[in-house]
Amino acid sequence: DAGITQSPRHKVTETGTPVTLRCHQTENHRYMYWYRQDPGHGLRLIHYSYGVKDTDKGEVSDGYSVSRSKTEDFLLTLESATSSQTSVYFCAISESYGVGIQEQYFGPGTRLTVT
Amino acid sequence: SQQGEEDPQALSIQEGENATMNCSYKTSINNLQWYRQNSGRGLVHLILIRSNEREKHSGRLRVTLDTSKKSSSLLITASRAADTASYFCATDHTGANSKLTFGKGITLSVRP
Repeated sequence: DAGITQSPRHKVTETGTPVTLRCHQTENHRYMYWYRQDPGHGLRLIHYSYGVKDTDKGEVSDGYSVSRSKTEDFLLTLESATSSQTSVYFCAISESYGVGIQEQYFGPGTRLTVT
Repeated sequence: SQQGEEDPQALSIQEGENATMNCSYKTSINNLQWYRQNSGRGLVHLILIRSNEREKHSGRLRVTLDTSKKSSSLLITASRAADTASYFCATDHTGANSKLTFGKGITLSVRP
């Protein structure tokens, strides 16, 4: 497996509380991504990063923020968790050589439940 | 939305049979990728095919790409029970700034 870890792996939190998920890589890849996976929706991009301190929004970014202060760490924060953010969250990393993005390597996922 | 669509949504076959899964997309791509996800795990990259390629093989996997029809197919030959998983196509669209767009996935069940 590519060197990607996510923490925590499971979390239960209450509505209105802030939550931070961490993704850590040891591959020195430039690109890092946060996805959420929900039944019937497949995988949807929340935010991604194309370098230290360089981030951009994905398809479902409302209610989420990210930060990348080091190449190896990409943090996803839910400022005030809502029940609609109950999901499985995946981090992924990738590189780009020439035209197009190469394969993505995924972390094991974080199962978040907001009660 | 640029989201690709996979077809069928679910597929059940007998061990030893071939499994064919299809993916369609709407706008031009740099490449198309297929991933597998076992229950409760992260996605695993299977194969990448570039827009100027028509066919690619990797072990028991064969991927084709028809850019004129904006479609791709994934063929798994001589399926095994261990191939039971969800399969996703992902497209790197031209001008998408290093993002992949994933389909909703196909659930493959291989009966022993």
